[in-house]
Amino acid sequence: QQQVKQSPQSLIVQKGGISIINCAYENTAFDYFPWYQQFPGKGPALLIAIRPDVSEKKEGRFTISFNKSAKQFSLHIMDSQPGDSATYFCAASMAGMAAGNKLTFGGGTRVLVKP
Amino acid sequence: KAGVTQTPRYLIKTRGQQVTLSCSPISGHRSVSWYQQTPGQGLQFLFEYFSETQRNKGNFPGRFSGRQFSNSRSEMNVSTLELGDSALYLCASSLESQGYGYTFGSGTRLTVV
Repeated sequence: QQQVKQSPQSLIVQKGGISIINCAYENTAFDYFPWYQQFPGKGPALLIAIRPDVSEKKEGRFTISFNKSAKQFSLHIMDSQPGDSATYFCAASMAGMAAGNKLTFGGGTRVLVKP
Repeated sequence: KAGVTQTPRYLIKTRGQQVTLSCSPISGHRSVSWYQQTPGQGLQFLFEYFSETQRNKGNFPGRFSGRQFSNSRSEMNVSTLELGDSALYLCASSLESQGYGYTFGSGTRLTVV
């Protein structure tokens, strides 16, 4: 059962444009929502993360928006650059020692930024 | 500081064989997790070890196993390999004990023929 649904599967954006990726989750026990960026041949790298007590978090050109009531969160990449071309994954994890370090990932979005 | 190191980077095995993959976490990290990445299923959690104890296990058959040593290094083993086991196997380590601040290695690309 896929607990984190991510859309779109791919998107193409012009340089300088805004890339928007959406994720929806089902399990209300999730309390940590990171986004990862993955380049070919590399492992995912943590980009930015948010907790449900915050509605928005911004780091540079990357912003997470979080809607707890809708159980949705999204990543906005402002002023997209060709170097941002990568696959992006949203993820979620639960609190508590028993939950441990288990991330549930969305299916991924392949972003291509055209110069 | 050194990142998460996975060896080998590439591996080709024959159906029915077994394989052992290695992961050296970032120094000081006690949590090591393993993930399988495939085009069809995406990133799926295999298991997590914390202070040499398996704390969590994903929905994979018993052919997939792992362990963690006292120096936090971890290995995962897949026995009786199947063609469907071909994937990128990723290891991640964390200083914290609860899913925050994961750092992934570059993975081991396993091809089963």
